[in-house]
Formats: sequence, structure tokens, C-alpha cells
Amino acid sequence: AQRVTQPEKLLSVFKGAPVELKCNYSYSGSPELFWYVQYSRQRLQLLLRHISRESIKGFTADLNKGETSFHLKKPFAQEEDSAMYYCALTSSSNTGKLIFGQGTTLQVKP
Amino acid sequence: GAGVSQSPSNKVTEKGKDVELRCDPISGHTALYWYRQSLGQGLEFLIYFQGNSAPDKSGLPSDRFSAERTGGSVSTLTIQRTQQEDSAVYLCASSLQVGVNEQFFGPGTRLTVL
Repeated sequence: AQRVTQPEKLLSVFKGAPVELKCNYSYSGSPELFWYVQYSRQRLQLLLRHISRESIKGFTADLNKGETSFHLKKPFAQEEDSAMYYCALTSSSNTGKLIFGQGTTLQVKP
Repeated sequence: GAGVSQSPSNKVTEKGKDVELRCDPISGHTALYWYRQSLGQGLEFLIYFQGNSAPDKSGLPSDRFSAERTGGSVSTLTIQRTQQEDSAVYLCASSLQVGVNEQFFGPGTRLTVL
């Protein structure tokens, strides 16, 4: 079965500290992995996707097929990074249907 | 340009009533997706449309749920005989075409079934 697991419901760090939001997946094929973010009172939006290999707002994520992981990292957290983060993958039929993890709330304290 | 819009933003209904939720995708986007965001289940896929057809309805929780899309644009998600467990935020997203394109999400409709 296709599944995305985000083991942490809440991650709380101080400003300037490194951040790593964990994401593991199970998938019988070549996955397309994404991180979506939802800031307070805003709509869900794409943060980054593994195929673009970009760094957005200082965040990066590397797809590790051996460990079936796609952890999101940032070396120095900022208060404005506080939000709900969802890891997601597409289904094997390439319909674009997104399978989401449960989400991790990142709280960056001053 | 305008993003994805959804209406109503909030809907409170009584158990057993029918509700209709509307989604206006970004103009020109052929793919449209419905998801549900609830406390216990997180974000779940419900159904997607390519044009006016819905090749994958696998996520609809029961036959009380249905959706249609007309003119390759507006979509309506209908829930008949609502139950308390239907309470959730219903999100709509659209993308240029089906596949790995970026999905743009609407603000959601918060449904509360009393």
C-alpha cells in the first residue's frame, strides 16, 4: 500500500536552530515526492518537490530511495517558518492524486 | 490572476441534510482534485477530474458522496444525508493538467454537521 508517514505531530525549536521534519514513505514504484506548507490562515501551498532539487526559503529535501525517506531540512529556523508541513507523494498511475502524511506542526520560538 | 475559489467558506448543517460544496478552479486548468482535511484522518484524497470525467473516485468515503464537473470548469461536491463524521474541511485543488504538475489549493469549505 502507498503510505506517507510523518512521525512527529509537533516539532518545536528555537529561532536559529536547525530543523529536520521527517517523512518516510512506502511505494511500489518510482515516487514523486513533495512538501506542502500551510501557514496560519493561509491556503495549502507547494513548498518544494524532489524532481526540481530546489532550495525554497532555505529548505531542502533529498529523496533517499534506500531509506524511503524525504526529510525536510533547514539549517537555521526562522519564526516565519512556523506552520503545518505535509509530505506527499503521487500515486503510481500518475494521475497527480496526492497521498499525504498526517502533517507536522513546526513551531519556531523566539 | 485569481486562484482557486471555493464556496461557501463555512457551512453548518443538521445531520441528515444534503449539502453542496462548490469549487472554481484556475482558468485553463484541466485537472481538478477534491481532498478532505479532518482531525483524525489528516488530508485524504476524494476524487479527481480530468476535464469533465472522473477516472478515479476511489477516495469517496461512501455512496452518499458524489461530485460532478461541468464545462471543464466548476465542480460541485455533494454530500447526501450528512453524518457527523462528515465534518471536515473540504479542499479543492487544480493543476494545468493531470500528472505531477503543481496543484493549487483553494481556501477550503469548513463543514460542520450538528
